[in-house]
Amino acid sequence: DQQVKQNSPSLSVQEGRISILNCDYTNSMFDYFLWYKKYPAEGPTFLISISSIKDKNEDGRFTVFLNKSAKHLSLHIVPSQPGDSAVYFCAANTGGFKTIFGAGTRLFVKA
Amino acid sequence: DVKVTQSSRYLVKRTGEKVFLECVQDMDHENMFWYRQDPGLGLRLIYFSYDVKMKEKGDIPEGYSVSREKKERFSLILESASTNQTSMYLCASSSSLAGGTDTQYFGPGTRLTVL
Repeated sequence: DQQVKQNSPSLSVQEGRISILNCDYTNSMFDYFLWYKKYPAEGPTFLISISSIKDKNEDGRFTVFLNKSAKHLSLHIVPSQPGDSAVYFCAANTGGFKTIFGAGTRLFVKA
Repeated sequence: DVKVTQSSRYLVKRTGEKVFLECVQDMDHENMFWYRQDPGLGLRLIYFSYDVKMKEKGDIPEGYSVSREKKERFSLILESASTNQTSMYLCASSSSLAGGTDTQYFGPGTRLTVL
C-alpha cells in the first residue's frame, strides 16, 4: 500500500512554461513533505520542503503547495528550463526517521 | 561540500554470494540510511541507523543486514544474494537528533545485478 503516490510517471513541458508535478498521500499523520530531484547516475538531491502548518513554500522558480484537506501537494516550476529535466520524487515524513517516497515523475523540458 | 560516497557504482554478483555495499559520509551526520530504488516503486527504506552500533529495520529488511561500527560508515550486507535483489542501492545521511525532518544527502548509488 503506497502511502505517497505520484500518479504521473512522466511529464513533458515546453521551455519557459510552467511544470506542475502532483503528489497524493494517504497518511494524515504526515507533517513534513519534501521534493527531491534526481539526475541519471546521481543520487537524489533535496529541492524544497513544506511543513504541514503551511500551505505554500517558495524558493526561486520552485513553489510547493500543500492542500491538507485533499491530502495533495504539488510542485510548480516556473519558468521551466531544460536543466530541470530529471526525475522528481515526492516524500513525506511524520517527524520520525522514516521518510516515505513516491515512485517519481520524470520531467522532460523541451527546448 | 557535503559528500556521501558509495564503494562501487556497478556490481555484478552470483546468486548465493555474500555482498557488501559500503557507504561513507564526511558530514559527521548522526543518521544514515539504505534504500533501494526500483522502477514504479520509488525509494524504499531497507535499514537505517541513528547512532554508532544502532540499527533499525525499514520497510523491506528481509534478506539484508547492516553494520555501523563507525559514525561515518554504514554497510549493507546481502547474506545470500538473490536475483530479486537486483536493484539500485542508495545510501543517505542526515543530521538532526529529532528524527527525519532534516534533509537527506544521498550517494550516487550502486547498481547491483545478481545473476
